[in-house]
Amino acid sequence: DSGVTQTPKHLITATGQRVTLRCSPRSGDLSVYWYQQSLDQGLQFLIQYYNGEERAKGNILERFSAQQFPDLHSELNLSSLELGDSALYFCASARDPNYGYTFGSGTRLTVV
Amino acid sequence: DQQVKQNSPSLSVQEGRISILNCDYTNSMFDYFLWYKKYPAEGPTFLISISSIKDKNEDGRFTVFLNKSAKHLSLHIVPSQPGDSAVYFCAASITGSQFYFGTGTSLTVIP
Repeated sequence: DSGVTQTPKHLITATGQRVTLRCSPRSGDLSVYWYQQSLDQGLQFLIQYYNGEERAKGNILERFSAQQFPDLHSELNLSSLELGDSALYFCASARDPNYGYTFGSGTRLTVV
Repeated sequence: DQQVKQNSPSLSVQEGRISILNCDYTNSMFDYFLWYKKYPAEGPTFLISISSIKDKNEDGRFTVFLNKSAKHLSLHIVPSQPGDSAVYFCAASITGSQFYFGTGTSLTVIP
């Protein structure tokens, strides 16, 4: 157990729907990062939050949004889902991001 | 635009031999590099790091080499063990910003 908890582990939904992925960071970590891993792709950075505020944005679609709550857990909202959104979504947290992240085990999203 | 590239999707090595995983990057501003290891159904786990002020960092069987002029880093595993079979990701960042990851290399160590 890495200390980063992601729920749900698996999610199957239909095109056009909206889902919410949840992440609880490791205790004491203020930074949360979301990454997407599609087939044959590396980990694509989506967005970073630090202590409740958005810190950096990567290749995140406008249909996707995220937030970090006062208790530091984070949610990634994916709407108007398309088949191509099927992927593994990883959350990671860090105390000092200069020394790398701790990843959760991911949420596997399948859009049918 | 993929700023960190791992051009070998897979690698097979005999147990006891050396495994060499390669990674290239395009952004000369990157100054911190990591290797992560990922088993199926798990998230990536941190393996070893190197900063741009060094050209080598060693941790047990794992050594990372950095060639800044070539924008290239490599991970050496000696001796390779079957438990090392996993997907290995390299990652790079400019200090204080997010890490960019490569596409991964799947290592199979054959007993």
